[in-house]
Amino acid sequence: DIQMTQSPSSLSASVGDRVTITCRASQGIANYLAWYQQKPGKVPKLLIYAASTLQSGVPSRFSGSGSGTDFTLTISSLQPEDVATYYCQKYNIVPLTFGGGTKVEIK
Amino acid sequence: EVQLVQSGAEVKKPGESLKISCKGSGYSFSSYWIGWARQMPGKGLEWMGIIYPADSDTRYSPSFQGQVTISVDKSISTAYLQWSSLKASDTAMYYCARRGIGSAGWFDPWGQGTLVTVSS
Repeated sequence: DIQMTQSPSSLSASVGDRVTITCRASQGIANYLAWYQQKPGKVPKLLIYAASTLQSGVPSRFSGSGSGTDFTLTISSLQPEDVATYYCQKYNIVPLTFGGGTKVEIK
Repeated sequence: EVQLVQSGAEVKKPGESLKISCKGSGYSFSSYWIGWARQMPGKGLEWMGIIYPADSDTRYSPSFQGQVTISVDKSISTAYLQWSSLKASDTAMYYCARRGIGSAGWFDPWGQGTLVTVSS
């Protein structure tokens, strides 16, 4: 089965900083990659699908890129409301594995 | 509005059985896979399995195969996750989510979650 590895597992950055989270698939998955945001105590929410398409209503400071095995989620200017854990997920074929998550905090 | 509403929190003893539910509304329930994910306290999301309501085709994560049963009653637009004998390690939040059709296979929306606590 394909494994999904996220890095870092956590990060702390200042408001306004550019934040980058990576997700690596152990085998190629084309662009079948989604990113989810889970704020503390809340339900996961779809941010990005097809590796780079922003879900409706998601602020434009979020962006995604990549294809094949290496993917990136970028927050161009970190805001206090972005404090959350971010997960990638492959969705081409089962198993629909999630990455381990990246916890983003404000410094 | 597309919505998934899950059943309420449960407190059970080890060895007991349990069935939790996820009711879909606002869309053609039979046409979309429904998935389940586990989140243990303080941990990440784990994909458990998916079911296609139209024909009950079910796929499990190897980690959960034989540990849980996913089922559906399309007549009432409801998917289920059940255990025959709970363990303390089943304590977790469980989410259902709708999977998109074809190449749009991401999960959206998600249910509100069902907290399952297993304790003697």
